Amino acid sequence: KNQVEQSPQSLIILEGKNCTLQCNYTVSPFSNLRWYKQDTGRGPVSLTIMTFSENTKSNGRYTATLDADTKQSSLHITASQLSDSASYICVVSAGPAGGSYIPTFGRGTSLIVHP
Amino acid sequence: DGGITQSPKYLFRKEGQNVTLSCEQNLNHDAMYWYRQDPGQGLRLIYYSQIVNDFQKGDIAEGYSVSREKKESFPLTVTSAQKNPTAFYLCASSIADGLAYEQYFGPGTRLTVT
Repeated sequence: KNQVEQSPQSLIILEGKNCTLQCNYTVSPFSNLRWYKQDTGRGPVSLTIMTFSENTKSNGRYTATLDADTKQSSLHITASQLSDSASYICVVSAGPAGGSYIPTFGRGTSLIVHP
Repeated sequence: DGGITQSPKYLFRKEGQNVTLSCEQNLNHDAMYWYRQDPGQGLRLIYYSQIVNDFQKGDIAEGYSVSREKKESFPLTVTSAQKNPTAFYLCASSIADGLAYEQYFGPGTRLTVT
């Protein structure tokens, strides 16, 4: 069964500090890995997408890494801001299966940035 | 103003009633998806559609139905057969259901059934 595990479940940091969120997956066959940011009560917004051949991708202060051998990904946030307070979701897609790429969502890491 | 919209934002229904959630996109995307999000759980795929007049069941399709008569619209009906319908429902779309196509999510509809 395809699974995506994220850690930590929650994290509290001070504004300006860096942090790293982890994602471990058992998804086969691997297609792509995405990181999303979801504000409370809102839809997720894509931060990065990585395919098998990519091992790092940046989007502003967000940098995602992918190690396809160990099936691990991390999302590093630099110089955190209050607006970074949100849930960060790791999504790994398998496929194609029957012509489609089926995503498996992690439960998310809840990040709170304090002033 | 391009994007994906869901309405209403909050919806309340009595147990035993069917209810339809709206999802519209003007991004000219072929693929559309419905997810359900419960507290402390990851999003779960209910149904998806890769093209007009075609749709496939996701992991938790029981008690739900969809239609895709137009490219722009993918409404979800929560039927009385759904045992635990109270949840946050998210609609998404992508250019196509492919390798690295980004999924764009709507703002969500929070359904409460009592």
